[in-house]
Amino acid sequence: AQKVTQAQTEISVVEKEDVTLDCVYETRDTTYYLFWYKQPPSGELVFLIRRNSFDEQNEISGRYSWNFQKSTSSFNFTITASQVVDSAVYFCALTLYNAGNMLTFGGGTRLMVKP
Amino acid sequence: NAGVTQTPKFQVLKTGQSMTLQCAQDMNHEYMSWYRQDPGMGLRLIHYSVGAGITDQGEVPNGYNVSRSTTEDFPLRLLSAAPSQTSVYFCASSYLGPEMSEQYFGPGTRLTVT
Repeated sequence: AQKVTQAQTEISVVEKEDVTLDCVYETRDTTYYLFWYKQPPSGELVFLIRRNSFDEQNEISGRYSWNFQKSTSSFNFTITASQVVDSAVYFCALTLYNAGNMLTFGGGTRLMVKP
Repeated sequence: NAGVTQTPKFQVLKTGQSMTLQCAQDMNHEYMSWYRQDPGMGLRLIHYSVGAGITDQGEVPNGYNVSRSTTEDFPLRLLSAAPSQTSVYFCASSYLGPEMSEQYFGPGTRLTVT
């Protein structure tokens, strides 16, 4: 069975600081997809990124960047120059290629960005 | 497009009562699923469906039933509510294809069982 671990349950930073959210996963399959979702205080889940296991290129989207390393089974998420609007719970999730779209979620990291 | 809609937004039940959480999507997605979110545990899959007439169990199916008579709708039934089912429930949908697409989530239903 697969597992996703987000060891940081809560992180607090001051605005403009950089912050990295860790995600470590376990699976025996060689083909899988990793996701990050954001859950703001309003409660909805917002898709941020999808990465397949064959694509280890890092990705940058504005202030957001993702570092995927198969060697350490990690898919970390960095927010540069954090803003108060980044305050949310962030979830990392995994699905196997042959498991339909069944997502296994990590426990989430609550990020609080203080002004 | 309304996306994924869920009703009701909030619900309070007494132990032993039954109810149905509604979920609908207007994106013609084949795949639909139900998750529950509990503090510190992320989201856990309850049931899922890969098309009309086809459903299967996820990680935590006990106490819940589903059916999929149309592509658009995927209701979740609580047969006899228990306090352990107090949670936030999310419905999600996505395309099924060779490239794994992201799942679109509904706004959630907050259920309290007393």
